[in-house]
Parts: sequence; structure tokens; C-alpha cells
Amino acid sequence: DAGVIQSPRHEVTEMGQEVTLRCKPISGHNSLFWYRQTMMRGLELLIYFNNNVPIDDSGMPEDRFSAKMPNASFSTLKIQPSEPRDSAVYFCASSDSARDRGHEKLFFGSGTQLSVL
Amino acid sequence: GDSVTQMEGPVTLSEEAFLTINCTYTATGYPSLFWYVQYPGEGLQLLLKATKADDKGSNKGFEATYRKETTSFHLEKGSVQVSDSAVYFCALSDGIYNQGGKLIFGQGTELSVKP
Repeated sequence: DAGVIQSPRHEVTEMGQEVTLRCKPISGHNSLFWYRQTMMRGLELLIYFNNNVPIDDSGMPEDRFSAKMPNASFSTLKIQPSEPRDSAVYFCASSDSARDRGHEKLFFGSGTQLSVL
Repeated sequence: GDSVTQMEGPVTLSEEAFLTINCTYTATGYPSLFWYVQYPGEGLQLLLKATKADDKGSNKGFEATYRKETTSFHLEKGSVQVSDSAVYFCALSDGIYNQGGKLIFGQGTELSVKP
């Protein structure tokens, strides 16, 4: 298996622009997570989906952030409009909750390094 | 709410030195505990886990014991290598499995091993 695939690896954009991050989870995994990593706040859970349904989006910082999972093999995280404080590494992770009881084993992608100028 | 606290880094050691990275947690229930490792430029990977009190998780020479009485899950390795240089994250699972429970991570501790 190729693992969790994220694109792009790096994104540089200007303040006010729309940014879309993409994720392909491991085939067969039924849960998907979006995390944000910064020096100041560490690793923060933004949102997670179970069977393509958003279960907990309490970590989404504000309405500028939105996430979708239209099918089991694809998810997007969108920021519109972007701001410099959104600069971070965004990770997608997936798990098989049926096999790995309570998502105890997450498989992470390599992340998207976002820089908003 | 549930939380995880790790010792601050960076931790710098010489090759073959003994490693301890402290981790303590706060939880209302009976969480499972984990150590994840992040190598440069990569996502996190599960290193080891323990699901109940007194369990010891181990992998690649690393060990951690679930201590309920001290609410701790310290990571140890007897002899570190340069290849162990990475950021280590302690985490707990809130255990709400039927709702798809989630992991809560500590801040991470950077380890640098010098030859």
C-alpha cells in the first residue's frame, strides 16, 4: 500500500487566497483525520471523519476552514481566505477503527507545508 | 479535559547514551497510551502503545510502562543511535470508540543524537 498520500507537499500563497489541501487515505481505512502542527501549539486535531461523515469538527479554528470527504478515498481541507497565521504543516491521517480499536493506530501522510505570505 | 504533558526539548545525547523522555497525562477515564515518532520531513508513526495499567509497550529498543498511580508513560531506551534523532510524541486515546475516539498528543520532544 502506498500509505496516506497528501498533496501538495509545499504550498506558498498570498494572504486572501484560497488554499485547498488534498488527502488520499489508505484503502480500506474508515476514518480520516486532519491535524495542524505549529511550533507554538504543537499538533492540533482539526476534524475527523468516520465512514465519510464528519464526527468532530470542534478543532476547526474558524469559518474560514472547511473540510469535505465526498468518498472513502478522498478528502479536502480548504482555507478561504487564507491568513499568515494559518502557516503550518497540515497532516492527514487515517485508521481502521474496526481493526485498530478506537483509532489507536493512525497512519500519517507526509504533510503539506503551508506558507501564507 | 484530557491532556498530555511532555518534557521540553530539545534533548541532545551522545550515541549509546541512555534516553528518558518524560510524559504525564490527565484523563477522566482509562485511556490507552502511545508514543509516536516523527522523523525529519515525515509524518508521525506509531512507536509503541500500552492499553492498561502496568502494561509495557516496546519496539525498536524503546520501552514505556503505563503507570496509573503516577499517571505517567515515560519513554526509555538503553542505548540511542544517531538514527533515533526525531521528534517523539506522547499521546492518549480518549476511548470513545463507538464515536470513533481520537488521540490527544503532547507537544513533542525533539531528540538529537550526536555521533
